[in-house]
Amino acid sequence: KAGVTQTPRYLIKTRGQQVTLSCSPISGHRSVSWYQQTPGQGLQFLFEYFSETQRNKGNFPGRFSGRQFSNSRSEMNVSTLELGDSALYLCASSLAGDRVFTFGSGTRLTVV
Amino acid sequence: GQSLEQPSEVTAVEGAIVQINCTYQTSGFYGLSWYQQHDGGAPTFLSYNALDGLEETGRFSSFLSRSDSYGYLLLQELQMKDSASYFCAVPRDSGYSTLTFGKGTMLLVSP
Repeated sequence: KAGVTQTPRYLIKTRGQQVTLSCSPISGHRSVSWYQQTPGQGLQFLFEYFSETQRNKGNFPGRFSGRQFSNSRSEMNVSTLELGDSALYLCASSLAGDRVFTFGSGTRLTVV
Repeated sequence: GQSLEQPSEVTAVEGAIVQINCTYQTSGFYGLSWYQQHDGGAPTFLSYNALDGLEETGRFSSFLSRSDSYGYLLLQELQMKDSASYFCAVPRDSGYSTLTFGKGTMLLVSP
């Protein structure tokens, strides 16, 4: 079966711009969570969606937002980009209550 | 809150055995998972322990001691392809909706 698909794979943006990242989960998976990965901070939780509702949110500023559609696909948006937002953004999907998370290959965002 | 501590780097040679330790602090405990990530790629699930003891999956084993808030991942018969980062992680709640990760251990396997 198809895995978790994230698009685009790479992005270069300028400070102050905004960006939208997309994640298509494994078919049947209704839980989608997002993580930011940087060398210094490791994997940090951004937010989690289930059936179009945000159930959990990490400790990130309001510039980071997301949504989930009825087909479980999810998007995250970062507005007013800062240099520190440069990171690998990973999306993971899972069956409700399942201990196994399946990750996508991520979107590598570079802010210049 | 939740926090997990693991060594930043471990080195070993092909064919050897290596152990990656993880200690955790959580307000509620719902199991300990391990993920492998090659060079900035997708993290992949390796194992999960909910109860004390050893879980074996091929060359990889994972151990948990809830009384010590401690676990480890054991990799046997190391191969070059095992060079990767390894993360321990705990669910934030009993619904397994999200994970909190350790900062990862980079394993370097040399010939």
